[in-house]
Amino acid sequence: DSGVTQTPKHLITATGQRVTLRCSPRSGDLSVYWYQQSLDQGLQFLIQYYNGEERAKGNILERFSAQQFPDLHSELNLSSLELGDSALYFCASSVQVTGELFFGEGSRLTVL
Amino acid sequence: KNQVEQSPQSLIILEGKNCTLQCNYTVSPFSNLRWYKQDTGRGPVSLTIMTFSENTKSNGRYTATLDADTKQSSLHITASQLSDSASYICVVSAENYGQNFVFGPGTRLSVLP
Repeated sequence: DSGVTQTPKHLITATGQRVTLRCSPRSGDLSVYWYQQSLDQGLQFLIQYYNGEERAKGNILERFSAQQFPDLHSELNLSSLELGDSALYFCASSVQVTGELFFGEGSRLTVL
Repeated sequence: KNQVEQSPQSLIILEGKNCTLQCNYTVSPFSNLRWYKQDTGRGPVSLTIMTFSENTKSNGRYTATLDADTKQSSLHITASQLSDSASYICVVSAENYGQNFVFGPGTRLSVLP
């Protein structure tokens, strides 16, 4: 158990819909990262937050947004969903910006 | 451009055999290099982390090496087990780099009985 909690574990929705994925980092970790992993693909960096502030942005679509709340949990919002958004979405946390990365078990999103 | 390349893309070995996975990187300035194991459908789990001054680090049957001069790393798995079947991901951390962590595409290892 990495200590990083992601909900929901599985989510099935239709095209055009909006979903929210939630991540609770390890206790004490200030940095949260979001990654997307499509079938048989590598991890694609989406966005990073550090202590509530956006720190780095990767290949995140404009339809996607995220935030980190004062209690350090983070949410990834995916809107106007398309079939290609079906993927595993991982959250990871670390104490510092280059500290050890701990991953959650992911949220599997299926868009039908 | 900061990049991490891994080879081979996939590998099949028999249980009990050894294997070596390769990682080449162009990330600068280098901070550290990690190897992660990712079981299918699960989150990656850290195997080793090495800084610039470390050449070798072991974690049970996993041994990672780092040559910071040639910017190469390898992960050697000894006496493979069926449970070693997974993707192995090389991740390089760069100081002062926006993304901080540059991920390789991974090597998919299959261990057959």
